[in-house]
Amino acid sequence: AQSVTQLGSHVSVSEGALVLLRCNYSSSVPPYLFWYVQYPNQGLQLLLKYTSAATLVKGINGFEAEFKKSETSFHLTKPSAHMSDAAEYFCAVSSGGSNYKLTFGKGTLLTVNP
Amino acid sequence: DAGITQSPRHKVTETGTPVTLRCHQTENHRYMYWYRQDPGHGLRLIHYSYGVKDTDKGEVSDGYSVSRSKTEDFLLTLESATSSQTSVYFCAISETGVPGNSPLHFGNGTRLTVT
Repeated sequence: AQSVTQLGSHVSVSEGALVLLRCNYSSSVPPYLFWYVQYPNQGLQLLLKYTSAATLVKGINGFEAEFKKSETSFHLTKPSAHMSDAAEYFCAVSSGGSNYKLTFGKGTLLTVNP
Repeated sequence: DAGITQSPRHKVTETGTPVTLRCHQTENHRYMYWYRQDPGHGLRLIHYSYGVKDTDKGEVSDGYSVSRSKTEDFLLTLESATSSQTSVYFCAISETGVPGNSPLHFGNGTRLTVT
């Protein structure tokens, strides 16, 4: 079984401040981990993914995430928030195999204040 | 952007009526998925397809059926819509079934309201 917990349904930061969105996962086998972003009235877009290569993964728009097996975490960070980062962010886990079943977290809404 | 078109984009229907949502892709990807998105629940998998006429259930499949007669089209049917099926429905596609090899690409969603 696999599951994802996103800590904080809503995170608010000031423009230029550090963004930290938390994700903890549960998986019985080495997982694949993903972060997706959803802008209003749109579908989800892939930000970055971890597939057992480097533990620090860089994604689009300056975001990165670090896989920490000992903490079962995959937190998303960005050094300096921009107004355009305001969106909902979803962490997702897959325990691999075929047929690609992703389990999503409940999402974290990021607000960026001027 | 991946070529995924969902139709309709918005629909209001009455309880007890059948509803069909369509997902059309131009990428020739083998795998297609239907998710529903509800506040506080994230996205949950309804059904998926791993080839023409090959489909399987996801975690919230009760009350839904799917069909895939062509590579490019994946239909989601609510046989008798209920208010609990009011949601935003997303179609997604992937080239392979292995997460590490190809990401999911999502359509822009269909907002369904059942009154």
